[in-house]
Amino acid sequence: QVQLVQSGAEVKKPGASVRVSCKASGYTFTMYSISWVRQAPGQGLEWMGRISADTGQTIPAQSLHGRVTMTADTSTTTVFLDLRSLTSGDTAVYYCVRGGYADPFDVWGQGTLVTVS
Amino acid sequence: DIRMTQSPSTLSAFVGDRVTITCRASQRLSSWLAWYQQRPGKAPKLLIYKASTLQSGVPSRFSGSGSEKEFTLTIDGLQPDDFATYYCQPYNTLFPTFGQGTKLEI
Repeated sequence: QVQLVQSGAEVKKPGASVRVSCKASGYTFTMYSISWVRQAPGQGLEWMGRISADTGQTIPAQSLHGRVTMTADTSTTTVFLDLRSLTSGDTAVYYCVRGGYADPFDVWGQGTLVTVS
Repeated sequence: DIRMTQSPSTLSAFVGDRVTITCRASQRLSSWLAWYQQRPGKAPKLLIYKASTLQSGVPSRFSGSGSEKEFTLTIDGLQPDDFATYYCQPYNTLFPTFGQGTKLEI
């Protein structure tokens, strides 16, 4: 079945960086974009950006001020999110999700809790 | 960026009720609007896309309507599993920001 499996929870110090991975399976990896969405405790959903799995082109959210990098490895069908200069405001559950410019977000990863403290 | 405004923010209802959630967009979207359900501690789930198309496996008590700037999600005959938070989201746009959410509670 189609699924996205994310890496485990992380605890980071302020100023550090974090990498979250998202392994896709059950579909042709290069046919879909992957987006990243995060949710701070008790808050709503924030779209962070997306990557085209075939070309590697990325569109990051402007609110992240250049702190985010997204990459895709077609050989392992894995997408990576790197977030730098962490602050307590980055504490959230991070989701990868299948979906991009013209597609709704139809398959979600299980979420990765990143705690900055 | 497109701004999405959902109303109400919180909605109280009973099992069996019919409820409607509204989402207003700051720009015209045609029908490029999706609805998601999120239960506590779980990842969101796609319910409806293209404003009114039910995602596979979603019960028919869920329906969506609207176009351009105003959209609605209706649940007809609330079930206990439906008490959750609902989000709207435009897609087919460069920055697909979510509405702020509507919490449906008993």
